[in-house]
Amino acid sequence: AQSVAQPEDQVNVAEGNPLTVKCTYSVSGNPYLFWYVQYPNRGLQFLLKYITGDNLVKGSYGFEAEFNKSQTSFHLKKPSALVSDSALYFCAVRDGDSSASKIIFGSGTRLSIRP
Amino acid sequence: EPEVTQTPSHQVTQMGQEVILRCVPISNHLYFYWYRQILGQKVEFLVSFYNNEISEKSEIFDDQFSVERPDGSNFTLKIRSTKLEDSAMYFCASSERFRTLDTDTQYFGPGTRLTVL
Repeated sequence: AQSVAQPEDQVNVAEGNPLTVKCTYSVSGNPYLFWYVQYPNRGLQFLLKYITGDNLVKGSYGFEAEFNKSQTSFHLKKPSALVSDSALYFCAVRDGDSSASKIIFGSGTRLSIRP
Repeated sequence: EPEVTQTPSHQVTQMGQEVILRCVPISNHLYFYWYRQILGQKVEFLVSFYNNEISEKSEIFDDQFSVERPDGSNFTLKIRSTKLEDSAMYFCASSERFRTLDTDTQYFGPGTRLTVL
């Protein structure tokens, strides 16, 4: 079965510094990987996805993620953190090849950016 | 930018009561989903729906749950007899018809917080 793991419950970064939120995956077949963000009292917002092609995927709000097949990782990155980036981040993988296939989420990482 | 909407934002109910959570998916989307997130836990898949029938459902989605697309715009989740453990945030999502791998991103609504007393 497909799965993703987020090893850090919390990541703390100073504003202006680069940030990384880690994710590793375990899939059979081609991995379809996603990052979603959840702001307080808001729904899940799509940030970016990896399907195929370039290993560096660019997404919303200046975020990017690097797909690494040998390390089975899909870490979320941003060169310069903003206080407004503070939120809960979920890595996810699509389970199956059908368009109706469900998404399996990681446990989430709370990102806290201090001014 | 089109988005998924959900009503109500918060629903409080007594154990054993029926609740209906409503969602309006993005208008050109054809695949619909419900997920839930119990406080402090992972987001979990409940059910997917396409062409007026369930495509897949999880173990959580037992006989107490049902989904329906009563008209061209709404997608509902019904819980027939709520239990305390049904208290959670329920998210609706939708995705476009599969034409390329790029079109099957699931877009989520803001959620309905269900509290069962």
